Amino acid sequence: AQKVTQAQTEISVVEKEDVTLDCVYETRDTTYYLFWYKQPPSGELVFLIRRNSFDEQNEISGRYSWNFQKSTSSFNFTITASQVVDSAVYFCALSEARGGSEKLVFGKGTKLTVNP
Amino acid sequence: EPEVTQTPSHQVTQMGQEVILRCVPISNHLYFYWYRQILGQKVEFLVSFYNNEISEKSEIFDDQFSVERPDGSNFTLKIRSTKLEDSAMYFCASTPDWNEQFFGPGTRLTVL
Repeated sequence: AQKVTQAQTEISVVEKEDVTLDCVYETRDTTYYLFWYKQPPSGELVFLIRRNSFDEQNEISGRYSWNFQKSTSSFNFTITASQVVDSAVYFCALSEARGGSEKLVFGKGTKLTVNP
Repeated sequence: EPEVTQTPSHQVTQMGQEVILRCVPISNHLYFYWYRQILGQKVEFLVSFYNNEISEKSEIFDDQFSVERPDGSNFTLKIRSTKLEDSAMYFCASTPDWNEQFFGPGTRLTVL
């Protein structure tokens, strides 16, 4: 069965600090996709990144970076030089690549608060 | 940029009443989904829809729930007889393939 664990329920940092959000996943499939979504206080879900199981290259997008390690089943997300606008709940999600719906299975989320 | 839209943004209803939540997916997308998020909790899959039929549904999606694509643009979620525990944010999502799902802004359902 698929499972996503985000062990950090809440994190609080001061602006300009770096912060890493952890995500550990479980799946029996060899082909799968991993995602991060941001949910700001306004409530919408904002897509950040998708990674497939065959691509273990780390990715950087501006202040955001992602570290995918199949050996530890982890897909961690780092925000460098955090800003107040980064305050949100961040969800990691997993999708198995079967024919059909490929639903997303979400973790419980990590609430990040960036204080000025 | 195309986006998924949902109406209404907030729906208040009495327990036992029927509600219909509406979504307009992005026009060239083929797969449609409903998820729900009880306040403060994780986002949970309800149902997926492809080629005018349900492709998968979760345990949450019982006989009280139904989905429909009545025309070429709308995708609806109906709850026949709402319960207090149906109070949640309901998200619609769509995708052109089976990976990157684009989410709508959500409908907050409050059952009194």
